[in-house]
Amino acid sequence: AQKITQTQPGMFVQEKEAVTLDCTYDTSDQSYGLFWYKQPSSGEMIFLIYQGSYDEQNATEGRYSLNFQKARKSANLVISASQLGDSAMYFCAMREVNAGNMLTFGGGTRLMVKP
Amino acid sequence: DSGVTQTPKHLITATGQRVTLRCSPRSGDLSVYWYQQSLDQGLQFLIQYYNGEERAKGNILERFSAQQFPDLHSELNLSSLELGDSALYFCASSPGWRILSSYEQYFGPGTRLTVT
Repeated sequence: AQKITQTQPGMFVQEKEAVTLDCTYDTSDQSYGLFWYKQPSSGEMIFLIYQGSYDEQNATEGRYSLNFQKARKSANLVISASQLGDSAMYFCAMREVNAGNMLTFGGGTRLMVKP
Repeated sequence: DSGVTQTPKHLITATGQRVTLRCSPRSGDLSVYWYQQSLDQGLQFLIQYYNGEERAKGNILERFSAQQFPDLHSELNLSSLELGDSALYFCASSPGWRILSSYEQYFGPGTRLTVT
């Protein structure tokens, strides 16, 4: 079974609007962390936001927020006020403490922001 | 700039050859992770080292090997290269191992390997 599932291969959003990128995960560990990374066309992996499994509040970092629903095992990324520079691939990833801290990535969502 | 450096940035080589990719972690980070990003396999974890010792192995082929040196830099060796090994290889580093905290793994810029 896939550990991280991103069901949206590609999405369009109008500039200045908000967009939600979906991510569901599968783990039996109690201690885990969820991450979102952005990969622009230049190829580098840019960390956006982190949510720990024990965090009670949803994480926020500037225009990024993570909608964490533990019971549903979902960790959706919300980008508010989209900008043209947000066009990129977005990857959801999970780190399980008992698995040694490596990241398991989803297949990614390509976001395209329209002017 | 994440503080993680990788060399070379691009590498073009022929099938059957052997190459070495180099990674220097962020100052103070003891863990190094190698990931492969290819069109058909996506982003997948290959191997992790912590303070010179191998700690975890993912989907790493037997033709591939890695090591972490006393100065904490790491090298990924790819041998008997095949066309399917063409990919972007990332190195990432983090302070520790088996610790749940809010630190992210800091990724290097990657080495793009093309096997012809």
